Amino acid sequence: GNSVTQMEGPVTLSEEAFLTINCTYTATGYPSLFWYVQYPGEGLQLLLKATKADDKGSNKGFEATYRKETTSFHLEKGSVQVSDSAVYFCALGSGNTPLVFGKGTRLSVIA
Amino acid sequence: GAVVSQHPSRVICKSGTSVKIECRSLDFQATTMFWYRQFPKQSLMLMATSNEGSKATYEQGVEKDKFLINHASLTLSTLTVTSAHPEDSSFYICSAQASGRPSDTQYFGPGTRLTVL
Repeated sequence: GNSVTQMEGPVTLSEEAFLTINCTYTATGYPSLFWYVQYPGEGLQLLLKATKADDKGSNKGFEATYRKETTSFHLEKGSVQVSDSAVYFCALGSGNTPLVFGKGTRLSVIA
Repeated sequence: GAVVSQHPSRVICKSGTSVKIECRSLDFQATTMFWYRQFPKQSLMLMATSNEGSKATYEQGVEKDKFLINHASLTLSTLTVTSAHPEDSSFYICSAQASGRPSDTQYFGPGTRLTVL
């Protein structure tokens, strides 16, 4: 079945540091890939998505590229801010099946 | 953009009571809604898939008699936790899939935190 594996946190960075959160997936067919962000006490918000190989999703300075050859969708940001502190979830969607989520990576950015 | 609301956002109840959580799609129709449960510092666990006008499909290990799901209209699904116990305390999140769109187009509600005393 489909699955998503993302790096375990927590990740603690200083403000303006470079961020990478790794995500790899296993899927049949051609899934869409997502990154969701969850701020404390809130639901999930879609951060970015990519629907086919080599697509790059980007939003709010974050970006991720759908790499079919390495089955990866790593999240990156060049310069993090304190306000980026949250939990980030990588997810996979295929056909009409429910989204499959990774376990989440907690990011803490300190000033 | 598409908005999904949940009500209430927080609820505290006594053990043995039932709690109803509403999930509404505010500006689109949703033939399918999903209910998730999230334990502290953990990922989302899919509980059930709710289709308008039909019975919900529950994931393995989820008690359908305890977590009653009703999807009575294209904009509303409800989750009722019956005879709640402290172990049911959790963060419950719904999402709605816009009609006519693939399942990867889901919009999430803000979540409901249930605390059972």
